[in-house]
Amino acid sequence: DADVTQTPRNRITKTGKRIMLECSQTKGHDRMYWYRQDPGLGLRLIYYSFDVKDINKGEISDGYSVSRQAQAKFSLSLESAIPNQTALYFCATSDSTGVYNEQFFGPGTRLTVL
Amino acid sequence: SQKIEQNSEALNIQEGKTATLTCNYTNYSPAYLQWYRQDPGRGPVFLLLIRENEKEKRKERLKVTFDTTLKQSLFHITASQPADSATYLCALLNTGGFKTIFGAGTRLFVKA
Repeated sequence: DADVTQTPRNRITKTGKRIMLECSQTKGHDRMYWYRQDPGLGLRLIYYSFDVKDINKGEISDGYSVSRQAQAKFSLSLESAIPNQTALYFCATSDSTGVYNEQFFGPGTRLTVL
Repeated sequence: SQKIEQNSEALNIQEGKTATLTCNYTNYSPAYLQWYRQDPGRGPVFLLLIRENEKEKRKERLKVTFDTTLKQSLFHITASQPADSATYLCALLNTGGFKTIFGAGTRLFVKA
């Protein structure tokens, strides 16, 4: 089974709808992240969480909110989706005690807002 | 503002040759630099990390250099294979490793 899973994998929705993307991990990592990826712009950080009680805004948090329900679960919400939120969304985890500070990414969610 | 530049044009090389990808950055003093591989439709996968006080790091056919004066990293794949075809992302990390900035990546095509 995959260490970092995301649901759904694909989602098409309409402008104004509320959307939740979910992320779960079995790696036991304390840190979790949400990124969006757009062609030519690379990965941009939306929110990150160091533990259940520590949530921080990233580079592009406007229009998004998150919830860290447990160490293993980190969800991203779009309260009122708009077309420019169409993108590929990735969840990632890392271990604060890791030697290489590497992040482990989920398979991604492709979101289309019409 | 902090900026990472990777060659946006795809790199096409012949199998067996060495591929060299470039990562330049400005307005940042990273403690670490990482390289990731991303295949189409999948999340990035970590390859290598190099620290600010290291000049070079090797792993199998991969070699990374880090020049903090030039603010540049070079990523080399020797004896390239078609299976090396992917997008390669560089990432900069601050001390503590919690603030990571990713480049947009360079697409590599290795022809048989």
